[in-house]
Amino acid sequence: DIQLTQSPSFLSASVGDRVTITCRASQGISSYLAWYQQKPGKAPKLLIYAASTLQSGVPSRFSGSGSGTEFTLTISSLQPEDFATYYCQQLNSPLITFGPGTKVDIK
Amino acid sequence: QVQLQESGPGLVKPSQTLSLTCTVSGGSISSGSYYWSWIRQPAGKGLEWIGRIYTSGSTNYNPSLKSRVTISVDTSKNQFSLKLSSVTAADTAVYYCARADYGRGMDVWGQGTTVTVSS
Repeated sequence: DIQLTQSPSFLSASVGDRVTITCRASQGISSYLAWYQQKPGKAPKLLIYAASTLQSGVPSRFSGSGSGTEFTLTISSLQPEDFATYYCQQLNSPLITFGPGTKVDIK
Repeated sequence: QVQLQESGPGLVKPSQTLSLTCTVSGGSISSGSYYWSWIRQPAGKGLEWIGRIYTSGSTNYNPSLKSRVTISVDTSKNQFSLKLSSVTAADTAVYYCARADYGRGMDVWGQGTTVTVSS
């Protein structure tokens, strides 16, 4: 099975900050990686797929990069509505896995 | 646009079988190259992928749950379903259904349904 790790697991940031979250895969997954945002009591929302493609309707302050085993999600200027938990997900193998999540909180 | 809605009992007794259905509206479950997944999330914890089904009937399951999980599809009803047998308290979670396209992530999710395993 392909395992995903995320770092950090928690980060405290201010509105306007640039935020970067890293996701690492236990083996190469090409670009078969997606990023989700989840707010309390809500279903996850797809932000980015294929490592760097922005899902329709997602603000351009979100961006993704990477391939193989290391990936990043960047929020260029954190907005109040961005405080949430972020998950990466690999879709390379027949067995899908999620990362453990990164909670972005208000400093 | 396509919407998903989970339904099923909110309370299941230990050792029994959890059964949930996801109804697809606003489009045909058979259109496109989509596959349909179940995901769960225990309170305060992360997301766990349970498994997926293509409308051809082909399935993949999380190895940790494989012996207890069955996912099926009923294209005539525009639904797909989850059965999880021999449940314990550890299966208590919010259960989500979701749509995905190959390599493109899960773009449509149901609102989630809470299932509690308790006697």
